[in-house]
Amino acid sequence: TQLLEQSPQFLSIQEGENLTVYCNSSSVFSSLQWYRQEPGEGPVLLVTVVTGGEVKKLKRLTFQFGDARKDSSLHITAAQPGDTGLYLCAGGNAGGTSYGKLTFGQGTILTVHP
Amino acid sequence: SQTIHQWPATLVQPVGSPLSLECTVEGTSNPNLYWYRQAAGRGLQLLFYSVGIGQISSEVPQNLSASRPQDRQFILSSKKLLLSDSGFYLCAWSFDGQGISYGYTFGSGTRLTVV
Repeated sequence: TQLLEQSPQFLSIQEGENLTVYCNSSSVFSSLQWYRQEPGEGPVLLVTVVTGGEVKKLKRLTFQFGDARKDSSLHITAAQPGDTGLYLCAGGNAGGTSYGKLTFGQGTILTVHP
Repeated sequence: SQTIHQWPATLVQPVGSPLSLECTVEGTSNPNLYWYRQAAGRGLQLLFYSVGIGQISSEVPQNLSASRPQDRQFILSSKKLLLSDSGFYLCAWSFDGQGISYGYTFGSGTRLTVV
């Protein structure tokens, strides 16, 4: 069974601060995705990384996939109240029996105070 | 563009009553479809997935079942609900490139409360 451990579980910061969320596993994944979810809604895909060492930027968000494809990080620069939400990482595997199934981390609840 | 519809948004059902949650996808064909359950706004647990009409795989033993009567329709059911079935249910679809998942599109979810 593959597991993804996210840390921290909770993050409460002031507007303008920087933060990093980590996603770690002892297993190798073919792809790693990050989602953001607001209360009462479904998660929304932010990014997918598939190459070890890959770095992707989405405005103030920077995503990195570890060289060994076992871990990932999400860094937010100058956080804003609109960044508040639940951030989920999810890992997937290639192969005939994977069928696109994902393993999700337990999530990081981010609160950005104005 | 692809869209996914999930309903109802909220549901309160008594213990022992039946359940039917429906999910439909538009703008794509032969998608992989998934039902997840989310407890207390945290991580997601995969319940069922389907790679085609009539093809259902269950990930965890449970009181629920799933069906895919049409290519873009996925239904989650129960004959008799338990209190432990309460939770936030999410339907999702994905397109795989050579078996790699490039990301899910989720429905807006159903908040089920069993009383």
